[in-house]
Amino acid sequence: QMQIQQWGAGLVKPSETLSLTCAVSGGSFNGYYWSWIRQSPGKGLEWIGEINQSGSTHYNPSLKSRVTLSPDTPKNQFSLRLNSVTAADTAVYYCASRRSRWYLDHWGQGTLVTVSS
Amino acid sequence: QSALTQPASVSGSPGQSITISCTGSSDDVGSYDLVSWYQQHPGKAPKLIVYQVTQRPSDVSNRFSGSKSGNTASLTISGLQAEDEADYYCCSYAGSTSYIFGGGTKLTVL
Repeated sequence: QMQIQQWGAGLVKPSETLSLTCAVSGGSFNGYYWSWIRQSPGKGLEWIGEINQSGSTHYNPSLKSRVTLSPDTPKNQFSLRLNSVTAADTAVYYCASRRSRWYLDHWGQGTLVTVSS
Repeated sequence: QSALTQPASVSGSPGQSITISCTGSSDDVGSYDLVSWYQQHPGKAPKLIVYQVTQRPSDVSNRFSGSKSGNTASLTISGLQAEDEADYYCCSYAGSTSYIFGGGTKLTVL
């Protein structure tokens, strides 16, 4: 059974860069898109973007200018960087595997990232 | 891209059935049979319960079922149980290699 473990800094200062990483185990890293989704406190889910093992990316247009996604295929890991953060970027960030038919079948445990000085 | 529209809350008694709607547009829900539903308990990650409108993962109870008509998808939970109390989110492919979520529905089991 595939498992996804995620980690990263839980506190980021305004204007700095949020950085998170996910590691995939128990399944293939190839053949999926690896997605990032966030959930602001008390709010719904927002898709950030996704990347596959070869580096092909898709982004939410509203965040595209600030997002960098990267794969580390040998380590079965993928990462998110979100620059120029503000308080509005405070959220629980999830990573997940996206199947070819556009559904997210395995999720990381989530990381709460707070943007504050 | 605007979020798909879901009711903020629904409720039902144990044993009853409830339906949660998810309304989009002809650009997303209406054009693709690529709607999925997720269950989220407090403090937990979302869990896939329905994909491709009507399909269920093998570990999901057959009390959960999905359907679609026009620009609206629906999730029906039959035989409500206390553990079904959670937030539910729909999601649809929206073309141009992107997808959008609904705003979420809080289910209360009375």
